[in-house]
Amino acid sequence: SQTIHQWPATLVQPVGSPLSLECTVEGTSNPNLYWYRQAAGRGLQLLFYSVGIGQISSEVPQNLSASRPQDRQFILSSKKLLLSDSGFYLCAWIPGLAGPGGGVDTQYFGPGTRLTVL
Amino acid sequence: QKEVEQNSGPLSVPEGAIASLNCTYSDRGSQSFFWYRQYSGKSPELIMSIYSNGDKEDGRFTAQLNKASQYVSLLIRDSQPSDSATYLCAVNAYAGGTSYGKLTFGQGTILTVHP
Repeated sequence: SQTIHQWPATLVQPVGSPLSLECTVEGTSNPNLYWYRQAAGRGLQLLFYSVGIGQISSEVPQNLSASRPQDRQFILSSKKLLLSDSGFYLCAWIPGLAGPGGGVDTQYFGPGTRLTVL
Repeated sequence: QKEVEQNSGPLSVPEGAIASLNCTYSDRGSQSFFWYRQYSGKSPELIMSIYSNGDKEDGRFTAQLNKASQYVSLLIRDSQPSDSATYLCAVNAYAGGTSYGKLTFGQGTILTVHP
């Protein structure tokens, strides 16, 4: 069965420090991967998605970046954190789509990383 | 801008009652619709997915979809205190005929079921 991991579970960082959050998926190949942020009391905001190794699409301009160095690994990074970067970061996956116009499957979420920037 | 709107909460119902959660979406081309439940401090978990007009039932949960009205709802029968959570409506987000699996989420509705 498929499993998705995220670490760390919680993180407290000072403003201006770097960030690296990791997400890995087990039990599947060539998944589509997604990074979301959920600010306190808010809905989910899609930050990045990836349909393959090295393929990253950004949804929201910000000081965050994403990388996919391996098929089942998705990393969220920042060189300098802002106070507004605080939130609950969620990684999600679905099976890789057949191509343009492919059907949408269900997204499954990892346990999340709660980031507090002080 | 593609939008998903959920009925404002919080919603409070007594144990055993029916809870009704509503969601409207702006993109008429949307084809896949999902309801997630999120307990406080936890990640969202899927409750229901629905793709065709009409009702889809799974245990105490019923999802209803009306594409003409761009409306999707979730009914929870025999509500239990354990159903108390935030419920998120999500709609696939097509851009140029391809979705890449992207979802647009509503802001969520907080449901409280009191004994």
